Amino acid sequence: DTGVSQDPRHKITKRGQNVTFRCDPISEHNRLYWYRQTLGQGPEFLTYFQNEAQLEKSRLLSDRFSAERPKGSFSTLEIQRTEQGDSAMYLCASASGGARETQYFGPGTRLLVL
Amino acid sequence: KNQVEQSPQSLIILEGKNCTLQCNYTVSPFSNLRWYKQDTGRGPVSLTIMTFSENTKSNGRYTATLDADTKQSSLHITASQLSDSASYICVVSPHASGGSYIPTFGRGTSLIVHP
Repeated sequence: DTGVSQDPRHKITKRGQNVTFRCDPISEHNRLYWYRQTLGQGPEFLTYFQNEAQLEKSRLLSDRFSAERPKGSFSTLEIQRTEQGDSAMYLCASASGGARETQYFGPGTRLLVL
Repeated sequence: KNQVEQSPQSLIILEGKNCTLQCNYTVSPFSNLRWYKQDTGRGPVSLTIMTFSENTKSNGRYTATLDADTKQSSLHITASQLSDSASYICVVSPHASGGSYIPTFGRGTSLIVHP
């Protein structure tokens, strides 16, 4: 499968715990995006990387959230001291850039904070 | 502020019928508009993409239109099938000359096709 993969697909954690999600993009794509999606809403932008550089971050990304893409390939999103409001689907997408850029989404990681 | 508004919020139709979903946007400067289909619990999948100069694009039974002057787009689904039941999301991306690549997503239209 050469699409975008995310791991884990589901995560249940207790409030206050830290969680880390991984995204493996399509190999030739240099852009990688993280989104958060709650029920009945469209995805909300969190952050994006071009290669290993984190170029934009949303104000939604509080200091408890951090993302990395150390070698310009896979990326991780860590949430520290999780809160119940963090419960959502976390989507990763990759793209090759350009005016007709299409983002290819992974299956998402569904987080439930108890 | 960049915004994408979709209507209706939800729609129920009978199998075999046609339907049209609407998208209005205020993203500027404009680069492209995409329609995605998102099945429950899955990531969105791209259906069509249109740049400023394109006013219609088809993908099988899906036809998207774009009026860049009025900043409106529609997605027409012909001869609906049960598998069309999903959320349809309109996404508008700014031109990089505006300083950002970040797309703006609509909240989606939830379509249910009944047998």
